[in-house]
Amino acid sequence: AQSVTQLDSHVSVSEGTPVLLRCNYSSSYSPSLFWYVQHPNKGLQLLLKYTSAATLVKGINGFEAEFKKSETSFHLTKPSAHMSDAAEYFCVVSVKTWSSNTGKLIFGQGTTLQVKP
Amino acid sequence: EAGVTQFPSHSVIEKGQTVTLRCDPISGHDNLYWYRRVMGKEIKFLLHFVKESKQDESGMPNNRFLAERTGGTYSTLKVQPAELEDSGVYFCASSQDWAVDNSPLHFGNGTRLTVT
Repeated sequence: AQSVTQLDSHVSVSEGTPVLLRCNYSSSYSPSLFWYVQHPNKGLQLLLKYTSAATLVKGINGFEAEFKKSETSFHLTKPSAHMSDAAEYFCVVSVKTWSSNTGKLIFGQGTTLQVKP
Repeated sequence: EAGVTQFPSHSVIEKGQTVTLRCDPISGHDNLYWYRRVMGKEIKFLLHFVKESKQDESGMPNNRFLAERTGGTYSTLKVQPAELEDSGVYFCASSQDWAVDNSPLHFGNGTRLTVT
């Protein structure tokens, strides 16, 4: 069975300081991992994805995540927070069937990022 | 290209009533998914269509929920009769390919359902 755990339900940073949102995963197979973001009253937007290629994945809006198999982690980082980054972030793993990672996704509990001026 | 569209954006109904949610996927996307987030819980998978066929409906909570995708275009999710615990945000997503590595899911803005 696959699962993801987001270690913080709420993170607060000051504008211009680094962001770290933590995610641990559990998977019997080589996982496909994603980070999605949801801004208020908006849909879920894909930030980045890991699909067994490079372990350091760059996404949109300056975000990146590093896949660490030894630590079963997929933490999301950004060097400098912007006010517009305030949103809820979801770490997600895809359920694997046969040889494919499917669109049946398992979501973490979500981390709300607050950015203070 | 137009994104995934969901209608209505909000719905408030009384317990025992019927509600139908609609999702229009991105044109050409054969794969359509429904997800739900109940208050305070994780977003959870409900079901997956490939064209008009239900590929996986393992996440449907009970037989009060009926999903259809006639003609393989838009999809509806009907809740009949609605119960208080059905309140939450219902998301629809679509993708071109079955394998998410090649074709990530595109999500709609969701329908917020409140059952009173």
